[in-house]
Amino acid sequence: DQQVKQNSPSLSVQEGRISILNCDYTNSMFDYFLWYKKYPAEGPTFLISISSIKDKNEDGRFTVFLNKSAKHLSLHIVPSQPGDSAVYFCAASWPGTYKYIFGTGTRLKVLA
Amino acid sequence: DTGVSQDPRHKITKRGQNVTFRCDPISEHNRLYWYRQTLGQGPEFLTYFQNEAQLEKSRLLSDRFSAERPKGSFSTLEIQRTEQGDSAMYLCASSSTLRNTEAFFGQGTRLTVV
Repeated sequence: DQQVKQNSPSLSVQEGRISILNCDYTNSMFDYFLWYKKYPAEGPTFLISISSIKDKNEDGRFTVFLNKSAKHLSLHIVPSQPGDSAVYFCAASWPGTYKYIFGTGTRLKVLA
Repeated sequence: DTGVSQDPRHKITKRGQNVTFRCDPISEHNRLYWYRQTLGQGPEFLTYFQNEAQLEKSRLLSDRFSAERPKGSFSTLEIQRTEQGDSAMYLCASSSTLRNTEAFFGQGTRLTVV
């Protein structure tokens, strides 16, 4: 059973526009969420995280929104740049553990 | 410190052989994790250590897999009697002790079993 779901396998966005990547989860015990970016043949790189006590966290061009009632989070990238082209994974964790459950990823392509 | 380091980056082995991977975490991190990633999937948790103690193991970690972290520094992941289904990217990550802090991943070891 996939507890963290990324239903869009791919997304294409024009350079300079907003990229919105979505993630849904089923486990209401999750209290910490993260986004990672992954280039081919490399390990995931941490982007941004959010605790369940917040509904928004911003870091430069990256903003994560958390809607607990809908069990949904999203990553906004503004403005999108060609270097943002990568696979993006959302991940979640819950109290009492330090492991993450990852989604299956969304491949973002930013067109110049 | 340049981050989490994994060795080797690539490994091709014949079915039935044993392989061992090494991970050097960020020096001040006392938590170390192993994940496995196959094509089209996100990383899947295998096991994690706090210092030298292995605190949690996934059901994915069959008895052919063993992980160690002697002295709480580097870690090794050994796969015995490799099978073609073991072909994957093996990722190591480390984090500090604080709850709700991000883990930093290494570049991974790509295992191909032929």
